[in-house]
Amino acid sequence: AQKITQTQPGMFVQEKEAVTLDCTYDTSDPSYGLFWYKQPSSGEMIFLIYQGSYDQQNATEGRYSLNFQKARKSANLVISASQLGDSAMYFCAMREADSNYQLIWGAGTKLIIKP
Amino acid sequence: NAGVTQTPKFRVLKTGQSMTLLCAQDMNHEYMYWYRQDPGMGLRLIHYSVGEGTTAKGEVPDGYNVSRLKKQNFLLGLESAAPSQTSVYFCASSWVRNEPQHFGDGTRLSIL
Repeated sequence: AQKITQTQPGMFVQEKEAVTLDCTYDTSDPSYGLFWYKQPSSGEMIFLIYQGSYDQQNATEGRYSLNFQKARKSANLVISASQLGDSAMYFCAMREADSNYQLIWGAGTKLIIKP
Repeated sequence: NAGVTQTPKFRVLKTGQSMTLLCAQDMNHEYMYWYRQDPGMGLRLIHYSVGEGTTAKGEVPDGYNVSRLKKQNFLLGLESAAPSQTSVYFCASSWVRNEPQHFGDGTRLSIL
């Protein structure tokens, strides 16, 4: 069974609009963490934001925020006021304490920002 | 501020050849990882290391070997390359196991 599911293979969004990238996860481990990474066309992997399973508040980093709904097992990335430079692949990943903290990755969402 | 450096960036091999990919980090991180990225899939962990002199298998270890003789370096070896190993390989490191991983720029490897 897929542990990390990103249901949107691709998305087109108008510049300056907000965008939500979906991520659902499956785990029975009470201690886990969720990460979002950005991969531009140049290929590097850039860490964006992290949410721990015990964190009381949703994580925020600049224009990035994580809509963490623990009961629904979802950890959606929200990008506010999108910019052309946000065009990239976005990956959601999960780390479980039981699996020795190895990262499990989703298949990614390709986001294209239209001018 | 080099971070994580991978060499080479590109390589083409023939089936059966061997090669070693080098990963070097200058952040004094304990944990290092090798991933492969294939089209339409997320990253898959090949091997990882929790400190100098240690290695462990990840999700897809077959056909690869690794070594971590020095804390700053993590080597990935292909003893007999196969076309199925054509992929983009990423190295990553982290200070502790539950911290975000820092990635190198990747190595694009083609096996003909």
